[in-house]
Amino acid sequence: SQQGEEDPQALSIQEGENATMNCSYKTSINNLQWYRQNSGRGLVHLILIRSNEREKHSGRLRVTLDTSKKSSSLLITASRAADTASYFCATVGNTGGFKTIFGAGTRLFVKA
Amino acid sequence: GAVVSQHPSWVICKSGTSVKIECRSLDFQATTMFWYRQFPKQSLMLMATSNEGSKATYEQGVEKDKFLINHASLTLSTLTVTSAHPEDSSFYICSARSASGSEVLKVQYFGPGTRLTVT
Repeated sequence: SQQGEEDPQALSIQEGENATMNCSYKTSINNLQWYRQNSGRGLVHLILIRSNEREKHSGRLRVTLDTSKKSSSLLITASRAADTASYFCATVGNTGGFKTIFGAGTRLFVKA
Repeated sequence: GAVVSQHPSWVICKSGTSVKIECRSLDFQATTMFWYRQFPKQSLMLMATSNEGSKATYEQGVEKDKFLINHASLTLSTLTVTSAHPEDSSFYICSARSASGSEVLKVQYFGPGTRLTVT
């Protein structure tokens, strides 16, 4: 990817379990965002965390950010079959037009 | 919420022809639009950043003469793939960022994508 790695590359869990995805990036950032993409579709914005924040919650989503390690994690609690999708982290830098650069993505499969 | 549309949703064209893809912000004005391409099971690769009324900024390795971008208004950007070849077959996604508010904290709203197949 243009920015960094995500792990795992793919994850398969049972409905009701928690899913954790990790993202690492290379450059300094202003904020980091997580997106979801269903197969062959556009992206849906999930959550934005600023560089001076360490944790953020939104419904069943919990995002952490560690700028010293240049990493972030997305936790989806009590997963549902409908959560099956690809999840991407994306970083926005402080310069260069504030463009959004995506990580490699994690494909999540939630089995009913 | 903010909506971004793309047209067409999919297109099949012959090698050597040119294809134009439109990206529109339907209910907000976008000073900046971005074009990405995505190969199957891979991430989005930023191709270029398009600012209304000025030339697009292309990422390293993207041929500006092959991928022509025009951002003629605050609600429309177009990507033209010129002299398309089979290796240009991909999923092209645009996104738009609102003209209002703090630039760096704005969320990008993504279009549904256009699947291009060049035969």
